[in-house]
Amino acid sequence: RKEVEQDPGPFNVPEGATVAFNCTYSNSASQSFFWYRQDCRKEPKLLMSVYSSGNEDGRFTAQLNRASQYISLLIRDSKLSDSATYLCVVNKVGGKLSFGAGTTVTVRA
Amino acid sequence: GAGVSQSPRYKVAKRGQDVALRCDPISGHVSLFWYQQALGQGPEFLTYFQNEAQLDKSGLPSDRFFAERPEGSVSTLKIQRTQQEDSAVYLCASSPDRLVQETQYFGPGTRLLVL
Repeated sequence: RKEVEQDPGPFNVPEGATVAFNCTYSNSASQSFFWYRQDCRKEPKLLMSVYSSGNEDGRFTAQLNRASQYISLLIRDSKLSDSATYLCVVNKVGGKLSFGAGTTVTVRA
Repeated sequence: GAGVSQSPRYKVAKRGQDVALRCDPISGHVSLFWYQQALGQGPEFLTYFQNEAQLDKSGLPSDRFFAERPEGSVSTLKIQRTQQEDSAVYLCASSPDRLVQETQYFGPGTRLLVL
C-alpha cells in the first residue's frame, strides 16, 4: 500500500466553480503536510502547508483530519490558471517527504 | 534570485551507458534531495544530503545509483549501466534548513530516456 493515496481525477470544472478533493495517508506518525502544485512538464511548487486547525490562502482551503488520516484541498472560484496536478505530501519528523501520485484538475472556460 | 538548476535538462542514453546528472541548489541551502518521478506518478525519494553528508539513501533503487555532494553545494547523481526502467524525470530539491519538513524548492528536472 502506498503511503499517500490520491484520486487521480481528472476533475473537469467550469470557471468559477468550487472543486474539492482529498488524499489519505497511512503513516500515523506523519507530522507535516503540504499541497504542492505541478504544471505539465514542470517541477512541483509548494502551494500551501496544511495545519491541524485548517488554513486558507486566498481561494484555497486545506483541512487535516488526523483521526481519519486524510487531507483535503478546496479551490473556490476556479480560474483557468488553476489547471494543474495537485500533489499531496506528508512526512514524519526526521523522515523523507512522501508524495501522492497527484490529482489532476482541469478548469474550462 | 537564482533557483535550483539542473543539467542536462534532457538526456538520451543507450542501455548500459553511464550517466551523470548535476544539481546546483539555491546558494546557502543546507539540505539537498533527489527524487525520481515516473510518468503519471508523484516524485519518489531517492536520497538526502545535509551539507556534504549523505544522511539517507534508502530510496536509491539499486547499487547502480550513486549520489555525492563533496563540497556541500553542487550534487551529482550517477547511474551506472542504465536500464530502460531508469527512464524518468530526476528532480533535485533544496531547502535552507536542516529540518526535512521545511519547504523544498525544486529544480526543473532532468528528463532521462534510456533506449
